[in-house]
Amino acid sequence: YELTQPPSVSVSPGQTASITCSGDSLGDKYACWYQQKPGLSPVLVIYEDVKRPSGIPERFSGSHSGNTATLTISGTQAMDEADYYCQAWDSTVVFGGGTKLTVL
Amino acid sequence: QVHLQESGPGLVKPSETLSLTCTVSGDSIGFSTYYWGWIRQPPGKGLEWLGSVYYSGSTYYNPSLKSRVTLSVDTSKNQFSLKVTSVTAADTAVYYCARHLATYFDYWGQGTLVTVSS
Repeated sequence: YELTQPPSVSVSPGQTASITCSGDSLGDKYACWYQQKPGLSPVLVIYEDVKRPSGIPERFSGSHSGNTATLTISGTQAMDEADYYCQAWDSTVVFGGGTKLTVL
Repeated sequence: QVHLQESGPGLVKPSETLSLTCTVSGDSIGFSTYYWGWIRQPPGKGLEWLGSVYYSGSTYYNPSLKSRVTLSVDTSKNQFSLKVTSVTAADTAVYYCARHLATYFDYWGQGTLVTVSS
C-alpha cells in the first residue's frame, strides 16, 4: 500500500499552501499529517483527517475527499517551512514519501 | 506531558543485531490503551514504520521487515524495546520511538542515530 505526495510545494508568505496525499482506498481510512523540521522529530499537526492537536495553530487544517487527503496551511509563515508527511493505517502503518514546503 | 527517550548503541557492525530501548515517562505503559511504536528515517529520506507493541506483548510489524524485527515491552521499567537482526548499511537511520493510538502517533522521542559500519 502506498501514499503519494508531491515532493515539493512552494508558497509565498501569507498565502495558502496545500499538500495532497493520495492512495488507493484512502477514502475509507483516516489520514494524519506530521511536520518535521531539520534535525527534529516529527510533530503531529492533523489527525483523523481534520482534527488538530492541542497547541497546533489554527492555520493548519485537514480535509479528505475520496482517495485524497489534503493538508492546508492558511496564512503560511516562514516558520512553517518544513517537511510534511501524511500517514494512514491499512493493516499496517504507511507513510507518504514526504513533501518539502518552501516559503519563498 | 508524555516523554519518550531512545537509548542504545550508536554504532553496530554489519550482520549483528541492533538493540534499542525506549523509556516512557508521563504515561504508564502497563495501564495505557495505546500501542508503542518504532519508526526510522535513513539520512535524507522519509519515515518508515517498523512495528508497534501493546503492554500485553501483542505486536504487529511492517511486513517488509517482519523477519528481522522483534519488539518487546517491560512494564516494570515502563520501557519497550526494538531488535533488528542481521543489519546492513541500509539499516543506518535515526530511530524514533512513539506513542501509537490507532491511526496516528501523538508523542515522539527525540530520535537516536544508529550507524551500521565495521
